[in-house]
Amino acid sequence: DAGVTQSPTHLIKTRGQQVTLRCSPKSGHDTVSWYQQALGQGPQFIFQYYEEEERQRGNFPDRFSGHQFPNYSSELNVNALLLGDSALYLCASSPPWTGINYGYTFGSGTRLTVV
Amino acid sequence: GDSVTQMEGPVTLSEEAFLTINCTYTATGYPSLFWYVQYPGEGLQLLLKATKADDKGSNKGFEATYRKETTSFHLEKGSVQVSDSAVYFCASSSNYKLTFGKGTLLTVNP
Repeated sequence: DAGVTQSPTHLIKTRGQQVTLRCSPKSGHDTVSWYQQALGQGPQFIFQYYEEEERQRGNFPDRFSGHQFPNYSSELNVNALLLGDSALYLCASSPPWTGINYGYTFGSGTRLTVV
Repeated sequence: GDSVTQMEGPVTLSEEAFLTINCTYTATGYPSLFWYVQYPGEGLQLLLKATKADDKGSNKGFEATYRKETTSFHLEKGSVQVSDSAVYFCASSSNYKLTFGKGTLLTVNP
């Protein structure tokens, strides 16, 4: 049983460009959250998608946007990349009706480097 | 807003030593509390959790007790192994999101 799958694993982009990261949740999971983990820091919550809508958002600018598809997979889009956007981007999923107490299943992340 | 403060690392121990990593939280309401572990090059794995005061979470020899009076959730293990070397994150939950501490790097030497 595959867990959370993220692609690509590594990515290098130039300042000002746009990037799209992808996530397939664990089988049976319907909720997807995205986190940004800067080097040496804990993950920071970006947003969560449920039923194809953004349910909750963290303290990130509008340059960060997302989407959830009918099959529950999700994309994270970042526009006008800044050097400070360089980080590990983690996707996490959870099953239906479990709520926050479940704890999430995390993917291995996409390492984004902005040069 | 919510915040989590955990012991600064790095922590270096010899195999079979006792481990404590301190974690305190501030939150409105009554969050659930978690410990996650991150091995090099990997994502986060849920290690243990506690959903209400005085609950004890345990897994793979690790334990942590939800202490509401001290707003703490310290991680302990009686005898660490080399394979426990990783970064450990304490986290609290509210409003569909997890709030993480900065992480503590643990290195266990043989």
